[in-house]
Amino acid sequence: QSALTQPPSASASLGQSVTISCTGTNSDVGGYNFVSWYQQHPGKAPKLMIYEVTRRPSGVPDRFSGSKSDNTASLTVSGLQADDEAIYYCTSHTDTNILIVGGGTKLTVL
Amino acid sequence: QDQLQESGPGLVKPLQTLSLTCTLSGGSTDSGAHYWGWIRQYPGKALEWIGFISYVGDTFYNPSLQSRITMSIDTSKTQFSLRLTSVTSADTAVYYCARAFGFGVPMDLWGQGTTVSVSS
Repeated sequence: QSALTQPPSASASLGQSVTISCTGTNSDVGGYNFVSWYQQHPGKAPKLMIYEVTRRPSGVPDRFSGSKSDNTASLTVSGLQADDEAIYYCTSHTDTNILIVGGGTKLTVL
Repeated sequence: QDQLQESGPGLVKPLQTLSLTCTLSGGSTDSGAHYWGWIRQYPGKALEWIGFISYVGDTFYNPSLQSRITMSIDTSKTQFSLRLTSVTSADTAVYYCARAFGFGVPMDLWGQGTTVSVSS
């Protein structure tokens, strides 16, 4: 199973919004509503930001939102803050009961 | 508050077996609501899912590693472990343990990670 495809980088200005994509296939992203998004700051463990495409764990600001269309899931961060600068990874459950991961997108807040 | 902590050697020789343990504090590993897993991160930042184990020992492994990995769990000690055999330099990475829930296994609790280098 191939990894999910994410753009290597994204950027937007403070206060603006940015959307990061995560593209898979009918066997993973398109076939299940089991996409998760993680935020990772340098030297830290990843942190769960979105699960089941759109759900936010307790404590995650509602500035973070998720969506999906066909085989592409998206993470939108609105009202960008300096601390949002991080690497974002998507994951998806697949039809072979494994977990696949995207290559990560480095978000720069200008 | 639940916390996970990885432990194990930081340096392993090529072709030897890497053994890591993850200890949960503040909670229990015998919940049917969770899976316990391992993920590694290569020096270039790419993440790779290694596998999950349930509290009764059901395992789900990454097919690319399946022939070399064994996961186990000791709920009495709130610990779970990873064994990776015949390591090479390609196994050099930061290894994280994590707790997952639900069918889609999002991981809501992570250890701080432990760096493992494979070198003679």
